[in-house]
Amino acid sequence: ETGVTQTPRHLVMGMTNKKSLKCEQHLGHNAMYWYKQSAKKPLELMFVYSLEERVENNSVPSRFSPECPNSSHLFLHLHTLQPEDSALYLCASSPDGTGWADTQYFGPGTRLTVL
Amino acid sequence: ELKVEQNPLFLSMQEGKNYTIYCNYSTTSDRLYWYRQDPGKSLESLFVLLSNGAVKQEGRLMASLDTKARLSTLHITAAVHDLSATYFCAVDEYGGATNKLIFGTGTLLAVQP
Repeated sequence: ETGVTQTPRHLVMGMTNKKSLKCEQHLGHNAMYWYKQSAKKPLELMFVYSLEERVENNSVPSRFSPECPNSSHLFLHLHTLQPEDSALYLCASSPDGTGWADTQYFGPGTRLTVL
Repeated sequence: ELKVEQNPLFLSMQEGKNYTIYCNYSTTSDRLYWYRQDPGKSLESLFVLLSNGAVKQEGRLMASLDTKARLSTLHITAAVHDLSATYFCAVDEYGGATNKLIFGTGTLLAVQP
């Protein structure tokens, strides 16, 4: 595996379910990110982790809970979601996260549908 | 609060023609990125622009940055069908402790034969 991988690629869940999205980066980077991409809206940054420490939480509802057990893995735990949470969830990583001009590399995304 | 606007939102152009996508942003920053997204795929980094007057070129795409005008352009020369995709600009919030990218809404480019 190379680059940034995400699983599952597609997820359908009910509002009462609990599920998790997984992201893994094989680039040796120290920073990881979760973004939400909704139809007709700009990409929204949700969370930033640098060296496994959460450094940004962009006013995201508590029904989204991130976890970064090490610098290569990032999870997004989902519970009691709403239909408006249906979107493409993108994970990204970058070498540093606080460095100058740190290009972010994106995974393929998880297409989430909440029924 | 940093806002990033792109225009046009949709661009249909013929092969062989030239066109420019514009990216305006509202507050000071000198770090701007362009990404490409194909349908159902992830974002691919195209250019990183780091200073006023920066110009980068790759194939038929050329990006430039004017930090004083808070404007970046992505110029397409002699378009080909393979360039059909959605193009996003993203601006790094200046002075932030972390690399926080604010994305534009994207420009959907459709190149017609």
